Amino acid sequence: AQKVTQAQTEISVVEKEDVTLDCVYETRDTTYYLFWYKQPPSGELVFLIRRNSFDEQNEISGRYSWNFQKSTSSFNFTITASQVVDSAVYFCALSEAAGDKIIFGKGTRLHILP
Amino acid sequence: DGGITQSPKYLFRKEGQNVTLSCEQNLNHDAMYWYRQDPGQGLRLIYYSQIVNDFQKGDIAEGYSVSREKKESFPLTVTSAQKNPTAFYLCASSITSKGARREAFFGQGTRLTVV
Repeated sequence: AQKVTQAQTEISVVEKEDVTLDCVYETRDTTYYLFWYKQPPSGELVFLIRRNSFDEQNEISGRYSWNFQKSTSSFNFTITASQVVDSAVYFCALSEAAGDKIIFGKGTRLHILP
Repeated sequence: DGGITQSPKYLFRKEGQNVTLSCEQNLNHDAMYWYRQDPGQGLRLIYYSQIVNDFQKGDIAEGYSVSREKKESFPLTVTSAQKNPTAFYLCASSITSKGARREAFFGQGTRLTVV
């Protein structure tokens, strides 16, 4: 069965600090897809990134970076030089190639304090 | 503009009444999904559809029903059998539920309150 665990329920950091959001997943499939989404106060989930299981390269997009490690079944998300606008709930999600569902973690609420 | 439209944004329902939440997409996506979000619970899958006239139950389908008569539309009915319907409901779609391009794009959600 597939499962996504985001152990950090809530995180608060001061603006300009770096912060890492953890995501650990479980799957029996050898091919799968991992995602990160941002949910601002407006409620709509915004897609940030998709990572395929056969591509272990880390990715950087501006202040955002993602560290995918199959050995530890983790797909962590780092925000560098955080800003108040980064305050949101962040979700990690998993979809197995053999299936057709997307399963979400419970989310991490991130507060960036001015 | 292409996107997913959910309506209404806020919905109030009396106990014992059925209510239907609308979800429309003009992205030409094959797959559509309904999720429920409760505080501290994350997103839980209610129903999903890979193609017109076909849909499958998710993890918490009891008390809900859906239809997929058109590719663009995937309405969700919250029936009186749903014991705790107050929640935030999110509709999503993806190009496909198979293959790599399965990232979902979401509507703005409907907040349902039972009064």
